[in-house]
Amino acid sequence: KQEVTQIPAALSVPEGENLVLNCSFTDSAIYNLQWFRQDPGKGLTSLLLIQSSQREQTSGRLNASLDKSSGRSTLYIAASQPGDSATYLCAVGANNLFFGTGTRLTVIP
Amino acid sequence: IAGITQAPTSQILAAGRRMTLRCTQDMRHNAMYWYRQDLGLGLRLIHYSNTAGTTGKGEVPDGYSVSRANTDDFPLTLASAVPSQTSVYFCASRPSGGRTDTQYFGPGTRLTVL
Repeated sequence: KQEVTQIPAALSVPEGENLVLNCSFTDSAIYNLQWFRQDPGKGLTSLLLIQSSQREQTSGRLNASLDKSSGRSTLYIAASQPGDSATYLCAVGANNLFFGTGTRLTVIP
Repeated sequence: IAGITQAPTSQILAAGRRMTLRCTQDMRHNAMYWYRQDLGLGLRLIHYSNTAGTTGKGEVPDGYSVSRANTDDFPLTLASAVPSQTSVYFCASRPSGGRTDTQYFGPGTRLTVL
């Protein structure tokens, strides 16, 4: 059974700082890895999807990397803003997703 | 376009009662999913449907049933609710079986079973 772990569980940074969120998974035979954002009391919004054959994906200030051999992914957020405050979830799979428990990010103005 | 709607938004339910959580999507997506989200456990897949007329079990299916009579609707039924089913329930959909398709999530239903 795939196990997905996210570290740290919570993170507070001052506005403007660059930061990295970490995700690790136990079974390297994955189809895709996705990063989602969840605001309090809301559903999930997809941020980036990395196919198993890819090493990274970028969208604006976000960059996600994937290293299947080590079972790791990172989400890099550049020049953080208070609006980035949310919980960030990592998930692996294609049809049936296995989720980590998330990193709760607070960006302090 | 509404995307995915879920009803009710929240519900308090007595143990032993039957409850159906509704999920409707207007994107004509083939695949639909039900997850539950619990503190410290993340989201876990309950049931899924790859296309209308078919369903499958996820990681935590016990105590839940689903049906997929058409493309748009995917209701989740708790036949006899128990307190351990207190959770936030999310419905999601996905365009097709393509490997690059992401899942789109509804706003969730917060269910409390007393």
